[in-house]
Amino acid sequence: QVQLQESGPGVVKPSETLSLICAVSGYAISSGYYWGWVRQPPGKGLEWIGSVYFSGNTYYSASLESRATIAVDASKNHLSLHLTSVTAADTAIYYCSRLTVGQDSFDIWGQGTLVTVS
Amino acid sequence: IVLTQSPGTLPLSPGERATLSCRASQSVISYENYIAWYQQKPGQAPRLVIHGASRRATGIPDRFSGSGSGTDFTLTISRLEPEDFAVYFCQHYGSSVWTFGQGTKVEIK
Repeated sequence: QVQLQESGPGVVKPSETLSLICAVSGYAISSGYYWGWVRQPPGKGLEWIGSVYFSGNTYYSASLESRATIAVDASKNHLSLHLTSVTAADTAIYYCSRLTVGQDSFDIWGQGTLVTVS
Repeated sequence: IVLTQSPGTLPLSPGERATLSCRASQSVISYENYIAWYQQKPGQAPRLVIHGASRRATGIPDRFSGSGSGTDFTLTISRLEPEDFAVYFCQHYGSSVWTFGQGTKVEIK
């Protein structure tokens, strides 16, 4: 059973870098699939941040591309998200997820981790 | 593509039929129909309900159905069960971009 678990600091200061890890269990990232990060400000909707293939190909939301970096570490079986120059608008629950074989939707999600910029 | 969901809130009673709309700002490529629907309950991660516009995800009961093409897509819940009251998001994939709608809350009337 594939499981995803996000971790990282719950509070980040404005202008600093938000860094999160998503640990994957039950599946080797190097075996395939695209993986993604999605965030949700408290009480609001979902926003796609970016997606990455195990080989390293990455795609980013146009609105976050200049500040976001997503990477895969196959040796640790995890993916990471770095978001620079954060502001209060980056306060959100951050989810990591696995995309379906067709890459069109997100079929497995982590429980999410709340990051507050303050 | 921008996705617009309606209504914002849908008050219904258990046993009633729910019809949720998702309209795309541009026509979705027909042979791909990369529209998905998610259910999200308070304090939980989203759960994939429908993908490919009409294919139920694993473990989703058959009272959930998806339909549509072009710019108009619909999620239908034939008879609402108590556990179906939640927020539903539609999502599109195309050209390596994934986009979500703003959500429809199905609440108990």
